[in-house]
Amino acid sequence: QSVLTQPPSVSGAPGQRVTISCTGSSSNIGAGYDVHWYQQLPGTAPKLLIYGNTNRPSGVPDRFSGSKSGASASLAITGLQAGDEADYYCQSNDNSLNVVFGGGTKVTVL
Amino acid sequence: QVQLVQSGAEVKKPGTSVKVSCKASGYIFNNYGISWVRQAPGQGLEWMGGISAYTANTKYAQKLQGRVTVTTDTSTSTAYMELRSLRSDDTAIYFCAREARGYCDYWGQGTLVTVSS
Repeated sequence: QSVLTQPPSVSGAPGQRVTISCTGSSSNIGAGYDVHWYQQLPGTAPKLLIYGNTNRPSGVPDRFSGSKSGASASLAITGLQAGDEADYYCQSNDNSLNVVFGGGTKVTVL
Repeated sequence: QVQLVQSGAEVKKPGTSVKVSCKASGYIFNNYGISWVRQAPGQGLEWMGGISAYTANTKYAQKLQGRVTVTTDTSTSTAYMELRSLRSDDTAIYFCAREARGYCDYWGQGTLVTVSS
């Protein structure tokens, strides 16, 4: 099992808002390490979506937003579109400065 | 533009080793680290290890300690990941990624490694 816990799947209708949770512990997110999010479209490499809890790289629409509180974080997608169907992964670091991932969440647009 | 180009697919027999390369371009290689992440068929992302291109300091996932080695050749801006004593459950797509301040901002295209007798 993955160090960070995510729901296996979330779904929503076009235009709706969905959120994906990412729960860690006092050894990673709760220790103050930043949370980052990746989008992986089918058959492609992951793409950085959110870094440093809330920041979007250039080119990422503002429909995607991140937040962090305590040992958990969330990714919100507003105005859901068919092209948002993908797997989403959260990532942080642990006290050894190793990289830790969540198990991934599949987003389905109904 | 930043690019990470990985070597091609490999088919290996159990017990052997594989070495995957990742050639970087479009940025100063020594200013960033490289992480290696793998993804088994239908599964999530698993961090394997990483290296600072500047210091050559390495760190590895505990699960793979002793079987994986990550290196860099700064003269060619290329990173390498070698995995030894291959097993069938090492069958996966292997990605390299540029690491900056704890996150991976650019990724290679992935290299499929199949372990089969």
